[in-house]
Amino acid sequence: RKEVEQDPGPFNVPEGATVAFNCTYSNSASQSFFWYRQDCRKEPKLLMSVYSSGNEDGRFTAQLNRASQYISLLIRDSKLSDSATYLCVVRGSGGTSYGKLTFGQGTILTVHP
Amino acid sequence: ETGVTQSPTHLIKTRGQQVTLRCSSQSGHNTVSWYQQALGQGPQFIFQYYREEENGRGNFPPRFSGLQFPNYSSELNVNALELDDSALYLCASSFGVNEQFFGPGTRLTVL
Repeated sequence: RKEVEQDPGPFNVPEGATVAFNCTYSNSASQSFFWYRQDCRKEPKLLMSVYSSGNEDGRFTAQLNRASQYISLLIRDSKLSDSATYLCVVRGSGGTSYGKLTFGQGTILTVHP
Repeated sequence: ETGVTQSPTHLIKTRGQQVTLRCSSQSGHNTVSWYQQALGQGPQFIFQYYREEENGRGNFPPRFSGLQFPNYSSELNVNALELDDSALYLCASSFGVNEQFFGPGTRLTVL
């Protein structure tokens, strides 16, 4: 079983749509959780951290369910510029793995006019 | 941009050759992590260097090795290249375990 699993998509949605991405992770001792965005042939960039209480940044809402080991990202009112690959990321649980980021496969989103 | 630079941008090698990839970390950062990203996959952790010492390693064979220099820049060396080593190699710099900032990557093709 992969440490971090995502539905690879692709998700193809019209502008203005709401889209949700899901992710599960296998290591219950994982400490930190993130969503990264990666544009085609570019480096990943941090979109937002994910907290147990849920957090929102404009049109983006992230949720974490530690009991189910489940992370989600909701994008409301999709824009053309949201087209990218969204990577679910978990950071190590301690010791020398604490700095290690474990990435999911990524979910491809295409927003069309 | 992030201030993390990598060189070269692209590289073509043949099986069995050796390659060295370079990364300059962002000013003030003391930690460099290296990742391999195959086509259609998420990045996979290779190893991390903190203050010139290896500080964690992923599931990669010993022919993947690295160095960190006193100025915190870093090198990734891969010996005896295999076709499956073709990928985008990303380095990320951080201050300790704080947010990692990625460089643009080196795209390696092994023929």
